[in-house]
Amino acid sequence: NAGVTQTPKFRVLKTGQSMTLLCAQDMNHEYMYWYRQDPGMGLRLIHYSVGEGTTAKGEVPDGYNVSRLKKQNFLLGLESAAPSQTSVYFCASTSPGQAMNTEAFFGQGTRLTVV
Amino acid sequence: ELKVEQNPLFLSMQEGKNYTIYCNYSTTSDRLYWYRQDPGKSLESLFVLLSNGAVKQEGRLMASLDTKARLSTLHITAAVHDLSATYFCAGIDTGNQFYFGTGTSLTVIP
Repeated sequence: NAGVTQTPKFRVLKTGQSMTLLCAQDMNHEYMYWYRQDPGMGLRLIHYSVGEGTTAKGEVPDGYNVSRLKKQNFLLGLESAAPSQTSVYFCASTSPGQAMNTEAFFGQGTRLTVV
Repeated sequence: ELKVEQNPLFLSMQEGKNYTIYCNYSTTSDRLYWYRQDPGKSLESLFVLLSNGAVKQEGRLMASLDTKARLSTLHITAAVHDLSATYFCAGIDTGNQFYFGTGTSLTVIP
């Protein structure tokens, strides 16, 4: 059971380059999230999706775009990377509507460095 | 927006001692979660607390929830080195967005 899988695990970008992070889940979850984790700041929500074809902004959406063309996949795009986007990115999924005690399941993270 | 605050941010404790991590949140949250993160790793779910007065225990960790005080606690009993990690609490708003605290970095010293 793979759970939540993120690709790639590590990446170094030059300022101004673009890239896409892929998140795939095999648990048939409706909700998917992208977070960034920075030292001393916990996890901050970038964008999220409550179902296929829908996306919404989170706490820190600027500089990022997302797409949810298939239920199992949630893509995070950086159109023009900046050093301030150096961070560890986590994807998570859940289905709160199915069970009250459902928690969010996290991917292994993507460590992104922008130079 | 739901705001979640944890304290302390850093905790160094000796093996065998007890301690409590506190998690306060600003508005109503349907559920309260506790996660553990080891260095360089992902987040692992520890507890899901669903209602006022909920208490859950797993090994040396016990979590509780007081919705009236908007407070959750994670109590560590007789700490051992294997518990060294960063612990996060998280609440969830009516839009099913998770909001995380800044984390408590726990180091257990032999």
